[in-house]
Amino acid sequence: GAGVSQSPRYKVAKRGQDVALRCDPISGHVSLFWYQQALGQGPEFLTYFQNEAQLDKSGLPSDRFFAERPEGSVSTLKIQRTQQEDSAVYLCASSLQTSGSPDTQYFGPGTRLTVL
Amino acid sequence: AQKVTQAQTEISVVEKEDVTLDCVYETRDTTYYLFWYKQPPSGELVFLIRRNSFDEQNEISGRYSWNFQKSTSSFNFTITASQVVDSAVYFCALRGGSYIPTFGRGTSLIVHP
Repeated sequence: GAGVSQSPRYKVAKRGQDVALRCDPISGHVSLFWYQQALGQGPEFLTYFQNEAQLDKSGLPSDRFFAERPEGSVSTLKIQRTQQEDSAVYLCASSLQTSGSPDTQYFGPGTRLTVL
Repeated sequence: AQKVTQAQTEISVVEKEDVTLDCVYETRDTTYYLFWYKQPPSGELVFLIRRNSFDEQNEISGRYSWNFQKSTSSFNFTITASQVVDSAVYFCALRGGSYIPTFGRGTSLIVHP
């Protein structure tokens, strides 16, 4: 595809439910990032993949958050036992090169998660 | 630690006015990169520009221009002759030695017809 795609675009979950958010990066992009964007704020880093390897998960807010990218392309962010404070837009970004380069990240449209 | 400050929360202008969005940053890195992104209501962050710390030349792209001044740690963004389609939230971001960018809180620009 031409850009980064994410699905679903909107997700409403009841507190305590598990959710899975999908990201399809730009074909051939090595690096993939997940961000959380609260209302009125800038994106905050969650985790980073280089191909299938999760090199940094320092931004994940709790052990309820889990991300994977098993084949080095599509990535899934899973949130277990959702809480109201998890309500946010989850953005995925990909870049062509590895983290060591000043490569530009290209963002998807995000998934807006609302936890009731 | 890195920090990006976008002091203007919201700016409202009338079409055809010029508008400048401010960005002030803090970093201890000598090599770093600055970015501007546009986030329209659809939600996707659209890349506008990347500037590295060694290049202080100002840049112009159509109605957009950027003023990078290391002396004041600022990377301001000006839209000339604003249009309704420019209405969006604009984010300034900084990436230093870490690959993790730091974003400002964004400036919401509203352009009225």
